This record gives sequence, structure tokens and C-alpha cells, in this order.
Amino acid sequence: AQSVTQLGSHVSVSEGALVLLRCNYSSSVPPYLFWYVQYPNQGLQLLLKYTTGATLVKGINGFEAEFKKSETSFHLTKPSAHMSDAAEYFCAVSERNTGNQFYFGTGTSLTVIP
Amino acid sequence: EPEVTQTPSHQVTQMGQEVILRCVPISNHLYFYWYRQILGQKVEFLVSFYNNEISEKSEIFDDQFSVERPDGSNFTLKIRSTKLEDSAMYFCASSPQGSTQYFGPGTRLTVL
Repeated sequence: AQSVTQLGSHVSVSEGALVLLRCNYSSSVPPYLFWYVQYPNQGLQLLLKYTTGATLVKGINGFEAEFKKSETSFHLTKPSAHMSDAAEYFCAVSERNTGNQFYFGTGTSLTVIP
Repeated sequence: EPEVTQTPSHQVTQMGQEVILRCVPISNHLYFYWYRQILGQKVEFLVSFYNNEISEKSEIFDDQFSVERPDGSNFTLKIRSTKLEDSAMYFCASSPQGSTQYFGPGTRLTVL
């Protein structure tokens, strides 16, 4: 089974500062990789995904993530944090077969300080 | 933009009672899933459903759980006899081709 590690259950950044949320996976075969965001009392919204092709993927709201096979990582970044970015962020992976389950990390709560 | 919807948003039940959580996946999606998130823990996979049958299930998904797609639009999760430890947020998801999954807003189940 896959294992997903999100380092830092809570991250605080100042408004306008760089956001970096870390995600590492355990599989030796690169999986499909996803980041989801959860705002209070809402569901999981897809931010971005990597399945194949370019390893730097761009998502909604100015977020990006880079797949690094050598580091088994898929860290999420945003150059300049906005107050509206405050939310819970989940990294998820699935094996490269159709219909497979997602394995989630424990989530990172992002606080943006004005 | 099409969304996965779930009802109810919050369900309170007594231990031992049956509950049915309802989901309407995105139209034309072919793969359907249930996950749960116990407060303070990670989101965990329960079951996946494709072509009118369960394609994969986790150890959590024991005989107390069942899923149905009764009418081609709804996708339900039934817990036959709820336990205190079933209290969690339950998420439904659907996928058009089995890779990217789109999640609903969740149903918060509280078992007293």
C-alpha cells in the first residue's frame, strides 16, 4: 500500500510570503499525484494533479507543484500567500491503474498572517 | 460546473441504528467512491464501485457497510448497525475515467 507523508501539520506564513507545503510518497513506481484543498465546512476541491508529462504542474489559485521522482516528492508552492489561502491542504496519491483508491496524507493546515 | 452532491450534510443517529448516506455523482462519471475522515485523522478509503459492482474495498468496509447505485444517479452508503467509532465525515467521490476523483462536500455522521 502507498504511504503519503505531509511534513508539518500546521504551517503559518505571512501574507505575501512564499507558501511551501511538503508531500512525499513511498512508492517505487511513480503514482498519480494530487493536491486537494478543504475550506472550513466544505468538501475537497482539486487544486492540481500530476499524471504524466511535464513535472511542474500549475493549478488553480496560483498554486504549483513539482514532481521529483528522485526525491519521491510532490511539494506544493505558491509565490505569494493570500488571506483566502487559509485552509487545509491534502496530498493524495493513487497507483497507475484505472479506478484505484486514493491514499491521503494527514493534511496541512495553512494559516496566513496579515 | 458539475459537482458531486451529498445529503444530508449532518446526520445524528443512535448507536445500533441504520443510516443511509446519499450521494449524487457527476453525470457521466463511471467510477464512484466512499471515503471517511475521523476527526483529526487522515481521509481513509472505504470502497470503490464500477460497472454496478464493488471493485475494491478496504478493511474498514466490513459486513456492516454496503453500497448501492439504485437508480443510475444516486450512490448510497448504508451502515447497518452504527457504532460510536463510525462517527466521522463521509465523502463521496466520482471519476470519469478512474484517475482524477471529484469529491462531494461530505456528510458528518454523529453516532450517540
